[in-house]
Amino acid sequence: EDQVTQSPEALRLQEGESSSLNCSYTVSGLRGLFWYRQDPGKGPEFLFTLYSAGEEKEKERLKATLTKKESFLHITAPKPEDSATYLCAVQSLEDSSYKLIFGSGTRLLVRP
Amino acid sequence: ETGVTQSPTHLIKTRGQQVTLRCSSQSGHNTVSWYQQALGQGPQFIFQYYREEENGRGNFPPRFSGLQFPNYSSELNVNALELDDSALYLCASSYTSTGSEAFFGQGTRLTVV
Repeated sequence: EDQVTQSPEALRLQEGESSSLNCSYTVSGLRGLFWYRQDPGKGPEFLFTLYSAGEEKEKERLKATLTKKESFLHITAPKPEDSATYLCAVQSLEDSSYKLIFGSGTRLLVRP
Repeated sequence: ETGVTQSPTHLIKTRGQQVTLRCSSQSGHNTVSWYQQALGQGPQFIFQYYREEENGRGNFPPRFSGLQFPNYSSELNVNALELDDSALYLCASSYTSTGSEAFFGQGTRLTVV
């Protein structure tokens, strides 16, 4: 069964304190791995897509990396505005519906 | 370029009633997917529409149904509402039904009492 597990469930950081969020996945053929940011009461905002092991993508203070079993979202020198829930999702090559299978997310709080 | 818009933003219904949620996809996108997100959980796939046809369905009962229109906008209908249907309902549009990025609307918060 295709599955995504994110850790930690919640993370508190001081402003400027770098850290990483983990996304472990089990999927029957990875089509793509997606990272989204979600603010309370709003829809997920697309951040990155990764397709193959070794791939990396960056956007401002965020950097996403991918291995064959997990992905990391590295946050460098975070600011309070980075506080949000970060969602990881996978898409399977063997699923004709191309649905996204999401983890439960990591709630990030960055304190000033 | 317009983003994905959903209506209404909030809705309160009584158990047993029926509800229709609406979604306008992003300009140039022909695929719409619907997700249900319970509090503190990740979104769960309900179904996807591609060129007005259902292209896949998650583990949801038949009382969850949908439509896609020629302009690629979409509706989600839920019959015989149950208390557990209370959730944030998200619409996502993408350029094709394959692995392109999906962009989400702001969601409709449905409360069933």
